[in-house]
Amino acid sequence: AQTVTQSQPEMSVQEAETVTLSCTYDTSENNYYLFWYKQPPSRQMILVIRQEAYKQQNATENRFSVNFQKAAKSFSLKISDSQLGDTAMYFCAFMKRGGAQKLVFGQGTRLTINP
Amino acid sequence: GAVVSQHPSWVICKSGTSVKIECRSLDFQATTMFWYRQFPKQSLMLMATSNEGSKATYEQGVEKDKFLINHASLTLSTLTVTSAHPEDSSFYICSADESGTGYEKLFFGSGTQLSVL
Repeated sequence: AQTVTQSQPEMSVQEAETVTLSCTYDTSENNYYLFWYKQPPSRQMILVIRQEAYKQQNATENRFSVNFQKAAKSFSLKISDSQLGDTAMYFCAFMKRGGAQKLVFGQGTRLTINP
Repeated sequence: GAVVSQHPSWVICKSGTSVKIECRSLDFQATTMFWYRQFPKQSLMLMATSNEGSKATYEQGVEKDKFLINHASLTLSTLTVTSAHPEDSSFYICSADESGTGYEKLFFGSGTQLSVL
């Protein structure tokens, strides 16, 4: 079974600062995907960024980037130039590769961006 | 982009009654849909995988007879909470996979807050 661990229940930074959210996972699979999802107060799940495990290059999406360390089973999210709208719960998630598969979520990190 | 519509957004019911939640893919067909439950300030936990035309696959610890899932068409899956009790109060979210790969086009509904009195 796969597990995803987010060790930071809460984080708080000032607007425009850079913040890094941590995520580690455990799996015996070799082919899989990793995701970061954002859940704002509306509770709609929003995909932030995703990474294919077989790709060594770290994924980036505008202000969001990841540091994917496959050997260490680490998948951290860096948010640059943080904005007030980034305030939300952030979930790291794992998915096995191969057809439609379920997502296994971490516990979440509540991120607050202060003005 | 593809949209997954989930209804109702919130529902309040009396203990012992049944509640049906719909998850509909609006502009794509989804062979597989997933149902998650989220308690306050907690993460999403998978309840079951819904497969069109076949029985749902339930996660360990989820009561099949209590949480009835029907995936009668490629665009609609329903979750019925039978004989609801206060401990069933939670936020229920569905997701649907457009591409069938799990990676490229996975979409979430907006969720349903169930409150059982």
